[in-house]
Amino acid sequence: QKEVEQNSGPLSVPEGAIASLNCTYSDRGSQSFFWYRQYSGKSPELIMFIYSNGDKEDGRFTAQLNKASQYVSLLIRDSQPSDSATYLCAVTGANDYKLSFGAGTTVTVRA
Amino acid sequence: EAGVAQSPRYKIIEKRQSVAFWCNPISGHATLYWYQQILGQGPKLLIQFQNNGVVDDSQLPKDRFSAERLKGVDSTLKIQPAKLEDSAVYLCASSLRETQYFGPGTRLLVL
Repeated sequence: QKEVEQNSGPLSVPEGAIASLNCTYSDRGSQSFFWYRQYSGKSPELIMFIYSNGDKEDGRFTAQLNKASQYVSLLIRDSQPSDSATYLCAVTGANDYKLSFGAGTTVTVRA
Repeated sequence: EAGVAQSPRYKIIEKRQSVAFWCNPISGHATLYWYQQILGQGPKLLIQFQNNGVVDDSQLPKDRFSAERLKGVDSTLKIQPAKLEDSAVYLCASSLRETQYFGPGTRLLVL
């Protein structure tokens, strides 16, 4: 079973600031990495995925992957109150598409 | 494109009763997953289907949980008999390759 650890939070940031979320994983062979957003009472919604080392940007979101350190992060720039949610990090294995999830980090953006 | 459909959305039962959940994946998605998400935790994979075959059910409590995917499309997940600790959200997801898309979930409360 792959282990995925996220900073426990909650993380409170002022509106307009950068929210930084971290995730580490135990399976060195993990190939694909995902960030899902989950609003309270709703199901996970895919925000971004990243496969290669480095940064990947999509609008206000940037995912960063460092396979050598087994570390993946998500930056949310210009945070908005609508970004207030739990963010789940998920990783696949070396040879399959099964996802292992972290427990999530709850972000609150203060207006 | 229609998303993953699940029903019912909510279910309240007493312990030792049985319950069934239904999932219809995104059209054309061969892989279907059932997850259990307990409050405050990330989703935990229960079972994975590829078409109508089981790929992984290693974390399915087989003494009380069962699942099937007849004809490789819709799927049902059953719990019999239910225990208090089965109270959770049951999420269905589907995928073409590694990116999984989640349905709205079924929130189960066992009293």
